[in-house]
Amino acid sequence: DIQMTQSPSSLSASVGDRVTITCRASQSISSYLNWYQQKPGKAPKVLIYAASSLQSGVPSRFSGSGSGTDFTLTISSLQPEDFATYYCQQSYSTLGTFGQGTKVEI
Amino acid sequence: QVQLQESGPGLVKPSQTLSLTCTVSGGSISSGSYYWSWIRQPAGKGLEWIGRIYTSGSTNYNPSLKSRVTISVDTSKNQFSLRLSSVTAADTAVYYCVRASEYSGYGYYFDYWGQGTLVTVSS
Repeated sequence: DIQMTQSPSSLSASVGDRVTITCRASQSISSYLNWYQQKPGKAPKVLIYAASSLQSGVPSRFSGSGSGTDFTLTISSLQPEDFATYYCQQSYSTLGTFGQGTKVEI
Repeated sequence: QVQLQESGPGLVKPSQTLSLTCTVSGGSISSGSYYWSWIRQPAGKGLEWIGRIYTSGSTNYNPSLKSRVTISVDTSKNQFSLRLSSVTAADTAVYYCVRASEYSGYGYYFDYWGQGTLVTVSS
């Protein structure tokens, strides 16, 4: 199985901050990496697919980069509605494993 | 706009079989190149992919659950279903039905999610 490791597990930030979350795969997954946002009591929502493609309707302050084993999700200017948990997920293999999540808190 | 809605018992006894159904609206379950998937999340924990069924009817399962999982589709009702046998307390979780869309040949991402349904395994 491909293991996905996110860092940090949690972070504290303020409105307007630039936030970066990293995700590392246990083997090369090319660009088959997606990012999701989950708010408490809600289903996850896709933000980025194929490492850097912005899902329709997602604000442009979200961006993704990377390939191979190392990936990043960047929020250029954190907004109040962005406080949530973020997950990466690889789709290189049929077993689409998720990272453990990164909680973005005030 | 595609919508997914889970339904089924919220309480299942240990050793019994968990059965959930996902009803898809806003589009035909048999059209397009989509995987219809189940994902679960124990309280306060991360996301675990359970398995999927393709439009053609072929299935893939998480190896850790494969011996206990069956996913099926009923195109006449625009529904797909999950059965998980011999459940234990470790299977207590919110269960999501999810659509996955393909890209770049064999990549995919989960673009539409149900609201989730809590299933508790307890006697």
